[in-house]
Amino acid sequence: GDSVTQMEGPVTLSEEAFLTINCTYTATGYPSLFWYVQYPGEGLQLLLKATKADDKGSNKGFEATYRKETTSFHLEKGSVQVSDSAVYFCALGMNFGNEKLTFGTGTRLTIIP
Amino acid sequence: DGGITQSPKYLFRKEGQNVTLSCEQNLNHDAMYWYRQDPGQGLRLIYYSQIVNDFQKGDIAEGYSVSREKKESFPLTVTSAQKNPTAFYLCASTLPGFMNTEAFFGQGTRLTVV
Repeated sequence: GDSVTQMEGPVTLSEEAFLTINCTYTATGYPSLFWYVQYPGEGLQLLLKATKADDKGSNKGFEATYRKETTSFHLEKGSVQVSDSAVYFCALGMNFGNEKLTFGTGTRLTIIP
Repeated sequence: DGGITQSPKYLFRKEGQNVTLSCEQNLNHDAMYWYRQDPGQGLRLIYYSQIVNDFQKGDIAEGYSVSREKKESFPLTVTSAQKNPTAFYLCASTLPGFMNTEAFFGQGTRLTVV
């Protein structure tokens, strides 16, 4: 079945450091890929998405590129801020048929000033 | 404002009791979902519904039940058959064919068995 494997956490970085959170996926068809963010005590919010190979999603300084050849969708940000501290989830959804999101285990990110 | 509302935010259940978690949305979305979140395990799908009066089991449906009598509402009942119900429960909704659109999540309900 479909699955998402995410970088184990927690991740702790200093403010203004470069961030990478790795995400790889397994899917039998052609999925769309998503990154969601969860701030403490809240539900999930969509951070960015990519719907086909080579697409780049971006939002709030975060970027991720859909790499079909490596089945990856790594999240990156050039300079993190304390306010980026949250849990980040990679997810995939199939474009046809079984319409549900499959999530990774989440990566807790803490940014220290 | 449009959104998805879960209630209550915190819920305590005694052993052997059934409890119902509420999820309401005013986004006019057809599809609704229930996820369970446990530390270190991400989100696991319990049930989902793509249309009124229809729903499908997700990956961990045992010990749970749902109904979808109205488009706006998708309540989840945690039955006494669920052996380890303590978790954070998240409800979400999307438009049909949602792969190119955003899934909206509620704020979650934290259920604790006492």
